[in-house]
Amino acid sequence: QLQLQESGPGLLKPSETLSLACTVSGDSVSNTNHCWGWIRQPPGKGLEWIGSFYYGGSSSYNPSLKSRVTKSVDTAKNQFSLKLSSVTAADTAVYYCVAIFGGYDAFDIWGQGTMVTVSS
Amino acid sequence: QPVLTQPPSASGTPGQRVTISCSGSNSNIEVNTVNWYQQLPGTAPKLLIYSNNLRPSGVPERFSGSKSGTSASLAISGLQSEDEADYYCASWDDSLDGPVFGGGTKLTVL
Repeated sequence: QLQLQESGPGLLKPSETLSLACTVSGDSVSNTNHCWGWIRQPPGKGLEWIGSFYYGGSSSYNPSLKSRVTKSVDTAKNQFSLKLSSVTAADTAVYYCVAIFGGYDAFDIWGQGTMVTVSS
Repeated sequence: QPVLTQPPSASGTPGQRVTISCSGSNSNIEVNTVNWYQQLPGTAPKLLIYSNNLRPSGVPERFSGSKSGTSASLAISGLQSEDEADYYCASWDDSLDGPVFGGGTKLTVL
């Protein structure tokens, strides 16, 4: 069974760059059948899609975040990563890595989430 | 502001049937499928319904989904205390070129 585990800094200051990694277990991040992505949830609020991609294929990002988002893949570590630049308090949220895995055409695999707080 | 509109709250008593609505537009729900997620307190969301009305393996039959035009609904029959959670609808949006979510509905089992 596919599992995802996020890792991140926990706390960072305004204007810094957020770096998050998602470690994949149970399959390979280079499996082109799966879609990998990130979704976030501010405290007490709803879900917001950040972006998603297929390994070696297309990537899509939320237009409201696209200019600040960079994604990368490390096949040796079986990880994919997200960088979000110039963070503000509005970027405070639980960040989930997600996958479309089981053929459901929906994000059916979610990591447990990692809380990121932006504060001076 | 969420793209899809859900009521902020819903409630029911054990055994009752409850429905949660999700309203969208001609760039999302009307032309794409709808998924529903259940988020139990303190946990990550879990896929509950996909492609409007299909259940992933392991989801009980008392959860069902439907779609008509620019709206969708999630129905829960035989309500149980463990169904107390936040429920989110989602759909692909052709204008955004990505998935959009509702603001979530907090279901309380009285």
